[in-house]
Amino acid sequence: GQQVMQIPQYQHVQEGEDFTTYCNSSTTLSNIQWYKQRPGGHPVFLIQLVKSGEVKKQKRLTFQFGEAKKNSSLHITATQTTDVGTYFCAGLGTASKLTFGTGTRLQVTL
Amino acid sequence: DAGVTQSPTHLIKTRGQQVTLRCSPKSGHDTVSWYQQALGQGPQFIFQYYEEEERQRGNFPDRFSGHQFPNYSSELNVNALLLGDSALYLCASSFDKMTQYFGPGTRLTVL
Repeated sequence: GQQVMQIPQYQHVQEGEDFTTYCNSSTTLSNIQWYKQRPGGHPVFLIQLVKSGEVKKQKRLTFQFGEAKKNSSLHITATQTTDVGTYFCAGLGTASKLTFGTGTRLQVTL
Repeated sequence: DAGVTQSPTHLIKTRGQQVTLRCSPKSGHDTVSWYQQALGQGPQFIFQYYEEEERQRGNFPDRFSGHQFPNYSSELNVNALLLGDSALYLCASSFDKMTQYFGPGTRLTVL
């Protein structure tokens, strides 16, 4: 079945540093979505990418969908303590099932 | 506008028991999906309901079953509980069958 992996599993940065998480799917995706889950909370939808090579920005967050529609990345510029949480990518495959990645836990300290 | 609601918040059961979890979708959403999230892992898709029928199913045994009502609310039933069923159970609703709006989840502990 479809597998979605993310690296790194965990990253600890100092406030103001940049952060990037990478997402790789074993199969071609129809679209890719990104979610953020704060400690003790539930996943919250951030964005959806549909087109090959698509790049979208939300303030300090930049999302990219690979040309082959099998990988994606999320880059945060100048992290803040409010960015703490686990970031999940989720890929929609040909079977129209949403498969979540393994997640990257981000810790930000002052 | 209320978001996705789930009940109960927490639940403790013993092995072999049965459990029912409930979900009310966000207003205007007609599709409900259920996910299991074990500690430290990503949500795993259990199944999706639309028009009161199960439309998609993940790799979960038949012990996991569900139902969707005419008002779009949904239930997740798990029979013959195992220790490994301990997890956060998330309900998510959608209007386009893609973007998932998650509820706060039900934390199930099986002893």
